[in-house]
Amino acid sequence: KNQVEQSPQSLIILEGKNCTLQCNYTVSPFSNLRWYKQDTGRGPVSLTIMTFSENTKSNGRYTATLDADTKQSSLHITASQLSDSASYICVVSDRGSTLGRLYFGRGTQLTVWP
Amino acid sequence: EADIYQTPRYLVIGTGKKITLECSQTMGHDKMYWYQQDPGMELHLIHYSYGVNSTEKGDLSSESTVSRIRTEHFPLTLESARPSHTSQYLCASSDSGRPGRSEDEQFFGPGTRLTVL
Repeated sequence: KNQVEQSPQSLIILEGKNCTLQCNYTVSPFSNLRWYKQDTGRGPVSLTIMTFSENTKSNGRYTATLDADTKQSSLHITASQLSDSASYICVVSDRGSTLGRLYFGRGTQLTVWP
Repeated sequence: EADIYQTPRYLVIGTGKKITLECSQTMGHDKMYWYQQDPGMELHLIHYSYGVNSTEKGDLSSESTVSRIRTEHFPLTLESARPSHTSQYLCASSDSGRPGRSEDEQFFGPGTRLTVL
C-alpha cells in the first residue's frame, strides 16, 4: 500500500533555532517528492520538489533532502521565524497513472515561539 | 502566488440544505481537483477533472458531485448537507506539463471550511 509517514506529528521550537522534519514513504513507482507549507486556514503552498535523481534542494531557509534508496526525505529549516509556524506536508507522486496520483502525509505541525 | 479562488471561505449551514462550493482558476490549467481535509489528517482526493466535461471520483467516497462546464470553473455540490460533511474542502489545479514545470505540480486554493449543524 502506498503510504507517506511524517514525524514528528508536532514540534515546538524557539525563534532562531533550526529544526528537521522527517518523511518516509512506500510509494512506488516513484516520480517526485514535494514539501508543502500549509498555514492555518489556507491551502498548501509548494516549497520544494525533488525527482529520483536529486538528493537535495534548497529554497531560502528551507533545505530538503531525498534518499530514494531508503525512501526517506527530510526538510531542514534554518534560523526559524515566527512565520514558519505552519503544517509541513510531505507529498509523493507516483508514475503509475496519467493522473500523477499524489500521496499526502498528515503533516508536521510546527510552532515557533518568540 | 497561484491564481485559484474558492468561495465561500467559511460556511455554516443546517442539515438538509443544498450547497455549492465554488472554485475558479485563471491559469488556464486543464486539470482540477477537490480534496477533503480534517484537522491533523492528510488530504483525501474526492473528485478530479482532466478537462471540460470530464469528471471522476477520487479515492475517498463522497456524496458530493462536481461539474466542469468551463475550464476555469469546478464547482462542488452537496444536495443535502449532513453533519458528517463538516470538513475543510480544498480545490487545486495543475497543467499538462508546460516547459519548466512538473506536470503534477498542483496549486491550491485557500479552502472552504464547511460546518453542518
